[in-house]
Amino acid sequence: GESVGLHLPTLSVQEGDNSIINCAYSNSASDYFIWYKQESGKGPQFIIDIRSNMDKRQGQRVTVLLNKTVKHLSLQIAATQPGDSAVYFCAENSLGDAGKSTFGDGTTLTVKP
Amino acid sequence: NAGVTQTPKFRILKIGQSMTLQCTQDMNHNYMYWYRQDPGMGLKLIYYSVGAGITDKGEVPNGYNVSRSTTEDFPLRLELAAPSQTSVYFCASSEGPPNSYNEQFFGPGTRLTVL
Repeated sequence: GESVGLHLPTLSVQEGDNSIINCAYSNSASDYFIWYKQESGKGPQFIIDIRSNMDKRQGQRVTVLLNKTVKHLSLQIAATQPGDSAVYFCAENSLGDAGKSTFGDGTTLTVKP
Repeated sequence: NAGVTQTPKFRILKIGQSMTLQCTQDMNHNYMYWYRQDPGMGLKLIYYSVGAGITDKGEVPNGYNVSRSTTEDFPLRLELAAPSQTSVYFCASSEGPPNSYNEQFFGPGTRLTVL
């Protein structure tokens, strides 16, 4: 079946370093991808998104890269800060499934001061 | 705007009991969703609605029911609680479908334990 998965369940980085969180998906029809951040005890919060007709999109300190050939996307966080510590989820949608998002299991990012 | 609000924050149920999780949004969003999140896992879609009077099943609808009589409210009903329904439940809303740059806004969640 379709799945969205993250490569590593945990990631620990030093404050100030760059972080890279990866995600693989299996649905070839996926055409819209979102990264969410979830802090402890809170609901997910939108970070950045990308359509399948793009391979890169940048936000403030964050960049999402999409490689449709190998069905892989990544979230890069520049100059990681302690406030970036959270669980990060990727999610995918397809035009044929309006209303339905498929979430990966999440990567826990810990930033060491 | 308060955004998406959920009540209660916590609840413990006995097996076989029923309850309704409340969700309200004040952003006049057409789309609303219910997800469950099991420990260490991502979110799984239970039900969603594209507008008042319209609901549809998600990935894990069994054991749940929903209704959407108004734009603002999207309650989730558990009729016969089972231990497998122990989870954190999140409600979300978006202006349009989530497949086209329509950000989903999430509520703070309801932590449900069924014993």
